[in-house]
Amino acid sequence: EVQLLESGERLVQTGGSLRLSCAASGFTFSNYAMSWVRQTPGKGLEWVSTISGSGATTFYADSVRGRFTISRDNSENTLSLRMNSLRADDTAVYYCAKCHHYGSGHLESWGQGTLVTVSS
Amino acid sequence: EIVMTQSPATLSVSPGERVTLSCRASQSVSSNLAWYQQKPGQAPRLLIYGASTEATGLPARFSGSGSGTEFTLTISSLQSEDFAVYYCQQYNNWPQTFGQGTNLEIK
Repeated sequence: EVQLLESGERLVQTGGSLRLSCAASGFTFSNYAMSWVRQTPGKGLEWVSTISGSGATTFYADSVRGRFTISRDNSENTLSLRMNSLRADDTAVYYCAKCHHYGSGHLESWGQGTLVTVSS
Repeated sequence: EIVMTQSPATLSVSPGERVTLSCRASQSVSSNLAWYQQKPGQAPRLLIYGASTEATGLPARFSGSGSGTEFTLTISSLQSEDFAVYYCQQYNNWPQTFGQGTNLEIK
């Protein structure tokens, strides 16, 4: 069974930094791209970033490019999202998700999400 | 960026009814379209991918159709557990984009 477990709730000040982690199990981690998707409280879903199975290729939403960095450790089956220069509008529930295949595709499985609150 | 537009925003229906949710893309996404269901306090759940392929274990009352720019998700006979928010997502182009969602509520 695929399991994706994100790190717990986080509160950070405006302009601060944060690192989210997602521990994966139940599948061959390195064979699949992984993504981060966020959801503003009460609002819809926004794709944030995707990384290929090897980690060689990454994609970012314009809203986070240059501030967020996605990475993965295939030896530890862990996905990470380094978030810098955080703003109030980054406040959201962040989900990690397993993509359909090595390069990308639809999002087959989702973690339970972790709430990130950016406040002054 | 491809804009995904879902309609209606809210749909009030009774259990047992047949419903059709719509999703329109601002440009062709071929068949690279997925549908997700989200219940309050839960993560989204994949229902349909490739516009019409059911995810493993999906009840037969769910079906998807369409290609290019027009897509639909049909639930043939609504069950109580189907009341939720439904999102479409295109993964044909970067950035991947989601529709704003359709809230399916009990009439």
